[in-house]
Amino acid sequence: VIWMTQSPSLLSASTGDRVTISCRMSQGISSYLAWYQQKPGKAPELLIYAASTLQSGVPSRFSGSGSGTDFTLTISCLQSEDFATYYCQQYYSFPRTFGQGTKVEIK
Amino acid sequence: QVQLQESGPGLVKPSETLSLTCTVSGGSISSYYWSWIRQPAGKGLEWIGRIYTSGSTNYNPSLKSRVTMSVDTSKNQFSLKLSSVTAADTAVYYCARSIAVAPFDYWGQGTLVTVSS
Repeated sequence: VIWMTQSPSLLSASTGDRVTISCRMSQGISSYLAWYQQKPGKAPELLIYAASTLQSGVPSRFSGSGSGTDFTLTISCLQSEDFATYYCQQYYSFPRTFGQGTKVEIK
Repeated sequence: QVQLQESGPGLVKPSETLSLTCTVSGGSISSYYWSWIRQPAGKGLEWIGRIYTSGSTNYNPSLKSRVTMSVDTSKNQFSLKLSSVTAADTAVYYCARSIAVAPFDYWGQGTLVTVSS
């Protein structure tokens, strides 16, 4: 099982801030990493796959980087609609696993 | 636009079997992998397993002994059965789509299943 450590678990920020979320793997996964956004009462939505490829329709203020064991999600200029919980997920091996989540809240 | 919709009982008694169905509309169920993922209230996401349209499956080892998945391509549906449930199985259950080595690009809205007597 590949364990994922996502940090921070809670991030307080203001509109317009640049925020960064980290995801570290217990073993290398090449670039088989995705990021999701989840709002309360809703299903997660795919933001980024292959570590750095933006899903169609996702704003360019979202970006992803990394490979191997260390990955980062960056939101360059936080908008009001970006306050949500973010999850990383590896699809390199079974079982598929998710990070614990990072809640981005209004400061 | 592909849409997924979960259905099934919202309340299941302890020790019984949880049964859910996911109906796929707006696209074919064929040639994709279909997963079940769950999320206890206020907690993170747990992948339960997936099924291909051929019927081949991959299950999470933590649940494998209790999970059965099936697919009905004629109805564009796939199903989950989780046996011997306890309160720890109370969660929102999502169905989701992927290709072989890929993330989940389409999700159902989720359905809350509570295990209680």
